[in-house]
Amino acid sequence: AQSVTQLDSQVPVFEEAPVELRCNYSSSVSVYLFWYVQYPNQGLQLLLKYLSGSTLVKGINGFEAEFNKSQTSFHLRKPSVHISDTAEYFCAVRINAGGTSYGKLTFGQGTILTVHP
Amino acid sequence: NAGVMQNPRHLVRRRGQEARLRCSPMKGHSHVYWYRQLPEEGLKFMVYLQKENIIDESGMPKERFSAEFPKEGPSILRIQQVVRGDSAAYFCASSPGTSANNEQFFGPGTRLTVL
Repeated sequence: AQSVTQLDSQVPVFEEAPVELRCNYSSSVSVYLFWYVQYPNQGLQLLLKYLSGSTLVKGINGFEAEFNKSQTSFHLRKPSVHISDTAEYFCAVRINAGGTSYGKLTFGQGTILTVHP
Repeated sequence: NAGVMQNPRHLVRRRGQEARLRCSPMKGHSHVYWYRQLPEEGLKFMVYLQKENIIDESGMPKERFSAEFPKEGPSILRIQQVVRGDSAAYFCASSPGTSANNEQFFGPGTRLTVL
């Protein structure tokens, strides 16, 4: 089974400051990794994903994440945040196991990012 | 191309009533996933369906919950005899295929409140 741990439930930050949202995962098999954003009363929107290749992946809205296999981490970063980045962010994994990898996602508990002016 | 549609957006039921949640996937998507988000928790997988077939229901409670995705029409998540613990946001997602490159697109969710 897989599990995802987001180490911070809430992260307050000032506008234009850098931010890092931490995500660690546990799995006995290879996984794909995702970050989603959820704005209030809306569904989830994909920010970025790691499938293979370069461990540094870039997503929408200026976010990026780095896959670290040895530390089983996939932290999300943005060098300068905006008020509009205020939302809840979810890290997720799905197993990479050939024909059985149909898309089931396992999510972390979420991190609420609050950007203050 | 409209996104994933869910209705109703908000649903209030009294204990013991039935709740029916609907999900219309994006056009061309034949794979549907249902997730439940309890207060202050992340999303938990419930069930994965393809047209007319339940592929994986390992996350569904054994009793009172059922899901379907008929050949025509939306996918339905049905909760019989609701209890207060069923209060949550229920999200569906759809994708055109199962490879990792096929993104899951999420609907806005149905927020169920059980009185």
